[in-house]
Amino acid sequence: AQSVTQPDARVTVSEGASLQLRCKYSSSVTPYLFWYVQYPRQGLQLLLKYYSGDPVVQGVNGFEAEFSKSNSSFHLRKASVHWSDSAVYFCAVSMRGSALGRLHFGAGTQLIVIP
Amino acid sequence: EAAVTQSPRNKVAVTGGKVTLSCNQTNNHNNMYWYRQDTGHGLRLIHYSYGAGSTEKGDIPDGYKASRPSQENFSLILELATPSQTSVYFCASGDARGANERLFFGHGTKLSVL
Repeated sequence: AQSVTQPDARVTVSEGASLQLRCKYSSSVTPYLFWYVQYPRQGLQLLLKYYSGDPVVQGVNGFEAEFSKSNSSFHLRKASVHWSDSAVYFCAVSMRGSALGRLHFGAGTQLIVIP
Repeated sequence: EAAVTQSPRNKVAVTGGKVTLSCNQTNNHNNMYWYRQDTGHGLRLIHYSYGAGSTEKGDIPDGYKASRPSQENFSLILELATPSQTSVYFCASGDARGANERLFFGHGTKLSVL
């Protein structure tokens, strides 16, 4: 069975500071990995995804994530956050070989950016 | 950009009543999903569908039914609503490319069962 852990329920950073949101997964094989973002009163939107190859993947709005097989992690990073990045961020996995994209989500990390 | 529309945006229901949440997508996606979002749990899959006429149980299907009468529409039905079903419900559609499928979400329906 797959599981996703986001250990930080809430992260507060100052505008312009760097950011790392942590995600660890548990799976017998390397899954597909995703980060989704949920802005207030909206549905989730895809930020980035990892399938294979280069462990660092680039997403929208300056976000990137790094896959580590040895650590079973897929941490999200941004060099300089903006107040508009305030949102809830979800890490998710889906299993390779499955017929469709059934996603297993972490509990989410609420990011608060202080102007 | 893919469009997924949910209705209603907010719903207050009474315990024991019937509730229907509707979802419409205009992108001709085969797969559609219903998730619920609760604090501390992230999103959990209730039901999903491969296409018109099909519905499948997700990870937490108890107390819910689903209906996919057409490619565009996917409904979630609570025959006998309970307070434990108070939650935010999200519908999503996907472009059916296997496990690396990208999902497109609606804005959510906030359901309160009193």
